Amino acid sequence: QQQVKQSPQSLIVQKGGISIINCAYENTAFDYFPWYQQFPGKGPALLIAIRPDVSEKKEGRFTISFNKSAKQFSLHIMDSQPGDSATYFCAALSSTSGGSNYKLTFGKGTLLTVNP
Amino acid sequence: EPEVTQTPSHQVTQMGQEVILRCVPISNHLYFYWYRQILGQKVEFLVSFYNNEISEKSEIFDDQFSVERPDGSNFTLKIRSTKLEDSAMYFCASRRLAGRTGELFFGEGSRLTVL
Repeated sequence: QQQVKQSPQSLIVQKGGISIINCAYENTAFDYFPWYQQFPGKGPALLIAIRPDVSEKKEGRFTISFNKSAKQFSLHIMDSQPGDSATYFCAALSSTSGGSNYKLTFGKGTLLTVNP
Repeated sequence: EPEVTQTPSHQVTQMGQEVILRCVPISNHLYFYWYRQILGQKVEFLVSFYNNEISEKSEIFDDQFSVERPDGSNFTLKIRSTKLEDSAMYFCASRRLAGRTGELFFGEGSRLTVL
């Protein structure tokens, strides 16, 4: 129930195309949904995030779509660029058992390659 | 820009040896975490730490693992007797805000190789 399922595992897109990565969850205790971008040899870095009371959030070329009833959310990268090539992780935030803290549960990641 | 720093960047150790991974979180952050990532796999939660105590730990974080904040700046992860399956990238993270929207900042990781 703590899992966040992410697909696809890898994605190849041509420059200028749209990259779409999907995630699904079951635990209704999750209440905040960030996406992280990770370049080789680096730690994950926050890209964009959404609250469950919002159906869409857009920041530049990056958009999160959120479907609360289906427990699904997705990342769309418009006009994909070679510099976007990285691993993308969806994540979900929940309170820790004692309620004093929060923790992130990550999906398995999607390796995005944008060809020039 | 403030950042989470981790040392060492790579450590190679023999099975059964003790390892200490060090982290310096961002200075005004209050919540600290360790995550690990086995090569090519997802980032897994190990432990969260707040107010000088563990908030939550995962099933991975067994008795061989411990965390400590020995002074006002360092946050350490100790693996008492390493196993081959402990080989992974270990990420330290910190956040400032108590609320759910506070961003989690990750360090660049410490790669642990157990032989």
